[in-house]
Amino acid sequence: DAGITQSPRHKVTETGTPVTLRCHQTENHRYMYWYRQDPGHGLRLIHYSYGVKDTDKGEVSDGYSVSRSKTEDFLLTLESATSSQTSVYFCAIESSGNTIYFGEGSWLTVV
Amino acid sequence: RKEVEQDPGPFNVPEGATVAFNCTYSNSASQSFFWYRQDCRKEPKLLMSVYSSGNEDGRFTAQLNRASQYISLLIRDSKLSDSATYLCVPFRAGGSYIPTFGRGTSLIVHP
Repeated sequence: DAGITQSPRHKVTETGTPVTLRCHQTENHRYMYWYRQDPGHGLRLIHYSYGVKDTDKGEVSDGYSVSRSKTEDFLLTLESATSSQTSVYFCAIESSGNTIYFGEGSWLTVV
Repeated sequence: RKEVEQDPGPFNVPEGATVAFNCTYSNSASQSFFWYRQDCRKEPKLLMSVYSSGNEDGRFTAQLNRASQYISLLIRDSKLSDSATYLCVPFRAGGSYIPTFGRGTSLIVHP
């Protein structure tokens, strides 16, 4: 157990509304990641963070923003949700030995 | 060329069979490798780490071929419970490194 909690775990929202997903970790890991996973595409990196207020874009960052004001929390925001953002979102941390551990996922449906 | 490539499968095998699948990587500077197992609608979970030429854990063996830049996962005496998707990810040190996962190989073990 890497102490990663994602919330909400399931959400249905309407197109055009803002949505924030939260990733919380309990072990002060420096690196945190947000991935989305879709059939036929595998895990794709959205944004990542390498410290408080230090974030950078991944390969599919358009339409997403992130914030990390505390070591333990990494927030992913969809400013105006679109149907193409319907997906499962996984938060991950990088632990010792460069091992990646994932949260349980957040299932988002945009209708 | 993608950083990580995997045959998506599915590999259909009977119980008790031995099955192997490969993960090719493009960056020769990759230093260590990780295999993850992902069950349907679950998060990926670490199966095995490979820091040198290979690793063995029970029925699972990972072999690294640096010359040809691939890592293989061998599963002996397949169980029904081995049915899952297997993902690989290489790791290398350096500020520009971002964990990039393969799309995964689907394994179905049937009675």
